This record gives sequence, C-alpha cells and structure tokens, in this order.
Amino acid sequence: NAGVTQTPKFQVLKTGQSMTLQCAQDMNHEYMSWYRQDPGMGLRLIHYSVGAGITDQGEVPNGYNVSRSTTEDFPLRLLSAAPSQTSVYFCASSPQGHEQYFGPGTRLTVT
Amino acid sequence: AQSVTQLDSHVSVSEGTPVLLRCNYSSSYSPSLFWYVQHPNKGLQLLLKYTSAATLVKGINGFEAEFKKSETSFHLTKPSAHMSDAAEYFCVVSDEGHNFNKFYFGSGTKLNVKP
Repeated sequence: NAGVTQTPKFQVLKTGQSMTLQCAQDMNHEYMSWYRQDPGMGLRLIHYSVGAGITDQGEVPNGYNVSRSTTEDFPLRLLSAAPSQTSVYFCASSPQGHEQYFGPGTRLTVT
Repeated sequence: AQSVTQLDSHVSVSEGTPVLLRCNYSSSYSPSLFWYVQHPNKGLQLLLKYTSAATLVKGINGFEAEFKKSETSFHLTKPSAHMSDAAEYFCVVSDEGHNFNKFYFGSGTKLNVKP
C-alpha cells in the first residue's frame, strides 16, 4: 500500500492564481481531511469528508473548495490564492472511529 | 467544544534523562486522545492513542501517556530521551460526538535533546 499520497510536494503561486492540491489513499478509508499547518498553531482543519459525495467545512474553510467523487481521491482547490494561504497542507484519511493517517504534505508559497 | 492545550511550546532535555510533554484537553463527550510526532520536514506519525480502554497507554519508541479524567490531562512521557526523539509533538483530541471524526490539534511542543 502507498498509504496517503499528496502532489505536488512544493508549489509557488502568484496572488490570484488557482490550483488543485491532489490527495489519494489506497486503504479504502471512509474519512478524509485536509489541514493546514502554520508555525505555533498546530494543524487546523480546512474541510473533511465522511464518504464519497459528502463533504463538510472545518475550522478554516474560506478560500478553499473540495469534492469527493470517489473513495480514493479528495482534491483541495484554491480558487484565488492569497499570501495568507502560504502554509504546509496535509491530507489525512482514517477508517471510521480510528486514528488518522497523514500524507507527506504540500508546501505552498503564495507571492 | 473540544480543545487541546499543550502547556509548553519548547522542552529541552539532556540525552538519557526523562521526557515530560504536557497536554490538557476539554471535551463534551468521551474523548479519544492521540499523540503524534513530526520530525523536521516530515509528515505526522502516530505515537499512541487512548480510546477508553486502559488509562496508561504505551506507544512506539518507548513513549507512554496516562489518561487522567479528573485532571483532563494526557501527558506524554519517556524514561530516557534519545537524540532521535528531537521533533515536534502534537496532542490531539477526537470528537466522539455527532462530528465523530473531527480531530483537534494542540499547538505543538518542540522537543530538543542535548547531547
């Protein structure tokens, strides 16, 4: 199993550009989540999904969209990048009621 | 509402001495609690988890944590620090209520291990 994979590993965007961060898992987990990590703030939940076709907002959803058309994939879209979205983004998956498994992260810089 | 407070942002110990990383939580329900470790420029790895079984939980690499409901604490300990333990540690509470799988992270504790 590859576990949770994320692409790209690094990305630089200009303000106003859009892009999609990819996340995939091969463990048939129901739950998938997106977090951002900023210094001194731990990880904050952006969006999450409890199954294909079902998504919901976390603590910091503004400026991000998600969809879940398959169990395996959970892409995160930045609609119009802003410098405040400079962060490290982690995707995670879990079976219901258990710990989350994290991907390696995407380091995003918005200039 | 759920929340997690990690009481120290930085902890420094000498190699071979005990490690104590402190975590307090608040939860409206019966919580699940976790400790994750993050080495520099890496992802997060699960150290251990508490899910209402034994209150003393053993994890990987010699770490353990004790769930104390009366103190709403879940402190992480290790008897003897190793250089490879230098990393950032996150205490996490999982909402066991209607938002079943939401994780709430503490702000992290950076552990420095001196030779």
